[in-house]
Amino acid sequence: SAVISQKPSRDICQRGTSLTIQCQVDSQVTMMFWYRQQPGQSLTLIATANQGSEATYESGFVIDKFPISRPNLTFSTLTVSNMSPEDSSIYLCSVVLLAGGTETQYFGPGTRLLVL
Amino acid sequence: LAKTTQPISMDSYEGQEVNITCSHNNIATNDYITWYQQFPSQGPRFIIQGYKTKVTNEVASLFIPADRKSSTLSLPRVSLSDTAVYYCLVGPEAAGNKLTFGGGTRVLVKP
Repeated sequence: SAVISQKPSRDICQRGTSLTIQCQVDSQVTMMFWYRQQPGQSLTLIATANQGSEATYESGFVIDKFPISRPNLTFSTLTVSNMSPEDSSIYLCSVVLLAGGTETQYFGPGTRLLVL
Repeated sequence: LAKTTQPISMDSYEGQEVNITCSHNNIATNDYITWYQQFPSQGPRFIIQGYKTKVTNEVASLFIPADRKSSTLSLPRVSLSDTAVYYCLVGPEAAGNKLTFGGGTRVLVKP
């Protein structure tokens, strides 16, 4: 497995502001993803963070609202822009690693966001 | 990606074996079956992954029948700390590994 860290671990923000979440991995990984988990719900994929190119967004998520950077193979950021209370969620990054001969996805600890 | 169906919740007691069955009738030939565990306020943790028959590791066993239309996660001798949500996911190993999470099974282990 890999050590995946996220900053901040939690934050409380005012509506209309933006928050940038960082994801750091202790080894180089090709695939990195960002997920959202709304209160009491399952995880939903936001986008694939592509190194050296624009992120690939899932249906319902757009770059203007969730800009993503991936400057290298160990780091990515997700920005939640112009926040509203509906953006209150846990945001998680994940990476794909080869484990036991198969590719497996590992998750970071998450960033808990509350928007007032 | 194949859709999965699993029970919403299960209760158990310390020391018992917990078996969670997941249905995935539309599983494709190149799909793997993966289970994750999620504790409150934490990211999902990989438990086990398999393609067919039986896979066992230090945490759990995964039983997959020949038709692969279902799978059963077996947690031996659970403790209170095994209280968590367990997610069954099905997908190809190398399709960008985009994971589609269903509702999961909330397991409550009682003393």
